[in-house]
Amino acid sequence: EVQLVESGGGLVQPGGSLRLSCAASGFTVSSNYMSWVRQAPGKGLEWVSVIYSGGSTYYADSVKGRFTISRHNSKNTLYLQMNSLRAEDTAVYYCASPWGDILTGYYIWGQGTLVTVSS
Amino acid sequence: QSALTQPRSVSGSPGQSVTISCTGTSSDVGGYNYVSWYQQHPGKAPKLMIYDVSKRPSGVPDRFSGSKSGNTASLTISGLQAEDEADYYCCSYAGSYTVFGGGTKLTVL
Repeated sequence: EVQLVESGGGLVQPGGSLRLSCAASGFTVSSNYMSWVRQAPGKGLEWVSVIYSGGSTYYADSVKGRFTISRHNSKNTLYLQMNSLRAEDTAVYYCASPWGDILTGYYIWGQGTLVTVSS
Repeated sequence: QSALTQPRSVSGSPGQSVTISCTGTSSDVGGYNYVSWYQQHPGKAPKLMIYDVSKRPSGVPDRFSGSKSGNTASLTISGLQAEDEADYYCCSYAGSYTVFGGGTKLTVL
């Protein structure tokens, strides 16, 4: 079965760090690009970051310099290292990926993991 | 990296058609044919409904269609059904980043 499973969310104080994981099954994380997308409570979707098959990475301006996307090919897992966290980073974080013949849309989504930044 | 502009809400009766617009710029919607649309029910992960402006993934009803003109993309849902009530988000590739719209809440009256 093709699926993504996120983990690592939780409560963290402002200025703290957290690392999210996204374990893939049924396909390899390095075969195409993969992204993190977040959704603040009651708000819309916000693209956060992408890592391409060749290793290039890009970030939303709102997280640039604080977040780092990476992957571990042998563990078939995507990561998001989040540093210097702010209250406005509070959101459900989804990992998302294209799949099969659909290479230009997020076809596979995880269930999301909630990150709460609060003192 | 400004969000694409969508109406906050639209509504229609069962059987009717509704269209949701998504306005960007020549740097995103207008510059690439990589617009996608997502349906999200409360508490659920988004679901891909349209990609590459007008293509439907397998399993998505042909009641859902997409188009684009200039910097504005549109999602049309015909023959509205109760289960179509959800939030809808457009999304566009923009080179070094990707951008979503603010979302549109579809109410089926």
